Amino acid sequence: DTEVTQTPKHLVMGMTNKKSLKCEQHMGHRAMYWYKQKAKKPPELMFVYSYEKLSINESVPSRFSPECPNSSLLNLHLHALQPEDSALYLCASSQYQRPPYNIQYFGAGTRLSVL
Amino acid sequence: AQKVTQAQTEISVVEKEDVTLDCVYETRDTTYYLFWYKQPPSGELVFLIRRNSFDEQNEISGRYSWNFQKSTSSFNFTITASQVVDSAVYFCALSEGQGGSEKLVFGKGTKLTVNP
Repeated sequence: DTEVTQTPKHLVMGMTNKKSLKCEQHMGHRAMYWYKQKAKKPPELMFVYSYEKLSINESVPSRFSPECPNSSLLNLHLHALQPEDSALYLCASSQYQRPPYNIQYFGAGTRLSVL
Repeated sequence: AQKVTQAQTEISVVEKEDVTLDCVYETRDTTYYLFWYKQPPSGELVFLIRRNSFDEQNEISGRYSWNFQKSTSSFNFTITASQVVDSAVYFCALSEGQGGSEKLVFGKGTKLTVNP
């Protein structure tokens, strides 16, 4: 089973709202990722957690705050977003430091609209 | 620097035609991994294949086949007898490093439309 579950599937929020995106996997993967994908563009890496520690932050604005409370869960907290943050947010997971490392399995994403 | 080029932005074919999606990559590393992902309109990226730089064997999986040629830095993907369900955006991606880096460099994607 290579399932990564993301909730909610759709989210509409105002610029003053606080919301969270949730990602869950039960494959025993120890690396989890957040990507942002604008329309007709490839996914862009935002954050990587390895063994529940933030290992990569691709200079993402502080209005995006990731959290990895345990090895199965990854959250992305959103606050004071801008309309240009509207995008598909994808979560992925992979094995880390053991085969088949670096195959990332993706969730279906959360389509975010910021009004 | 790593780079992945998918020169074909959009391809449209009629069902049962064969179609090849091109992928050219650049890397200075001797150890790297290449991937293909499929993204249907629903949004989820579906992993199709991973190939490491030391394995140049071509691979076939049902109607899908992949041609890896280090000499031309290409990793092309062919769908034989295409079907409407193959309509999606296909991304080629590159990851460097012996253990595999967490960073995937994606190409811009090729949108494939298969018409009935």
